[in-house]
Amino acid sequence: QVQLVESGGGFVNPGGSLRLSCAASAFTFSGHYMTWVRQAPGKGLEWISYISSSGRLTYYADSVKGRFTIFRDNVKNSLYLEMNSLRAEDTAIYYCGRSISYGAFDIWGQGTMVTVSS
Amino acid sequence: QSALTQPVSVSGSPGQSITLSCAGSGGDIGAYNYVSWYQQHPGRAPTLMIYEVTKRPSWVSNRFSGSKSGNTASLTISGLRAEDEADYYCCSYTLDNDVVFGGGTKLTVL
Repeated sequence: QVQLVESGGGFVNPGGSLRLSCAASAFTFSGHYMTWVRQAPGKGLEWISYISSSGRLTYYADSVKGRFTIFRDNVKNSLYLEMNSLRAEDTAIYYCGRSISYGAFDIWGQGTMVTVSS
Repeated sequence: QSALTQPVSVSGSPGQSITLSCAGSGGDIGAYNYVSWYQQHPGRAPTLMIYEVTKRPSWVSNRFSGSKSGNTASLTISGLRAEDEADYYCCSYTLDNDVVFGGGTKLTVL
């Protein structure tokens, strides 16, 4: 069925790096904008980035601009989030999502936990 | 990128109708008809309930409806059921080509 599966989360020291992956299946991945949204423990949802269907356009929240990079591989049907200079406040569950309209994400992965701590 | 403003909590009894509010600005909710709503049960990923202010995905009951007036969006749930108890987040596209979420409302079904 249509699904997204994230991977790559884990524990990392402050200042470290991590790459998250999101594998898509059972839909035309190259036809959709994609997004990353995170949720800190006990907190609300925070949009952090989205990418156009071709990968040419990318947008970021101010909180991650300059530190995170979103990219995609439409041959591998995969979305990625490269995270550098990680901070304690980046600790969260990271979800990837399929976009069907601006701000409308109809398919979500199960999430992958990132913990930034020394 | 200021978060949209939602009440922290709302409660209602089974069978009632309740309305959740989401206040933004002319730079987000007031700028476009790109407001969406998400339901999230504990430990689960969010589920899209409403998009483009009023549109319902195929899996969403017609008990859920969305609206917008000026810089404020609303989600109305009619015939409240126990399974509607969850956190609800509003979301809007912005003039800066960003996306912003509200802080979330915890809905309790009494």
